[in-house]
Amino acid sequence: QKEVEQNSGPLSVPEGAIASLNCTYSDRGSQSFFWYRQYSGKSPELIMSIYSNGDKEDGRFTAQLNKASQYVSLLIRDSQPSDSATYLCAVNPPMFSGGYNKLIFGAGTRLAVHP
Amino acid sequence: NAGVMQNPRHLVRRRGQEARLRCSPMKGHSHVYWYRQLPEEGLKFMVYLQKENIIDESGMPKERFSAEFPKEGPSILRIQQVVRGDSAAYFCTSSPPQGARHEKLFFGSGTQLSVL
Repeated sequence: QKEVEQNSGPLSVPEGAIASLNCTYSDRGSQSFFWYRQYSGKSPELIMSIYSNGDKEDGRFTAQLNKASQYVSLLIRDSQPSDSATYLCAVNPPMFSGGYNKLIFGAGTRLAVHP
Repeated sequence: NAGVMQNPRHLVRRRGQEARLRCSPMKGHSHVYWYRQLPEEGLKFMVYLQKENIIDESGMPKERFSAEFPKEGPSILRIQQVVRGDSAAYFCTSSPPQGARHEKLFFGSGTQLSVL
């Protein structure tokens, strides 16, 4: 089992719709969760972080965390063609006691928003 | 994040040559992480360094790869005798000295290494 799993997609949604991206992780004690957006040929861009169960909203983005079920999701409301990118889920597992941020990434989900 | 500077953006090497990738952390940061992204894959942790010290190199291949972060100058990721399988995007990020598990990491623009 991969440590962080994402559906590779592509996830195709019409403009204006809600895009829902999901991520599951294997290490139950994981504490920190991040969503990055990556355009083709570019570096990952941090768009959301979440540390507690529940929802966290930032503009059109909502991150949802359920530690009991070991999943984290990202909702994008009013999707725009400019949201078309690969979305990477990243998790900081608990086994590192060094206090630094050693992220484990999923392979990413490609999102395509069509006009 | 424009604060983390990487160069070169693109590096082409022939098999057997050496590749040197450079990373300058954000102002005030003294810790650097290197990640590698193979085609169609997520990022994989390689190494975590502070000035003049390697803290965690558990993600580094055992041979041909080395990293350093000298007291002065950028962090260097060095790949000796490159092979085609080394072709990937290499990203760097940095954190302040006090570094925390919830620290948000912002990546540099990366170096795309192509091995012919």
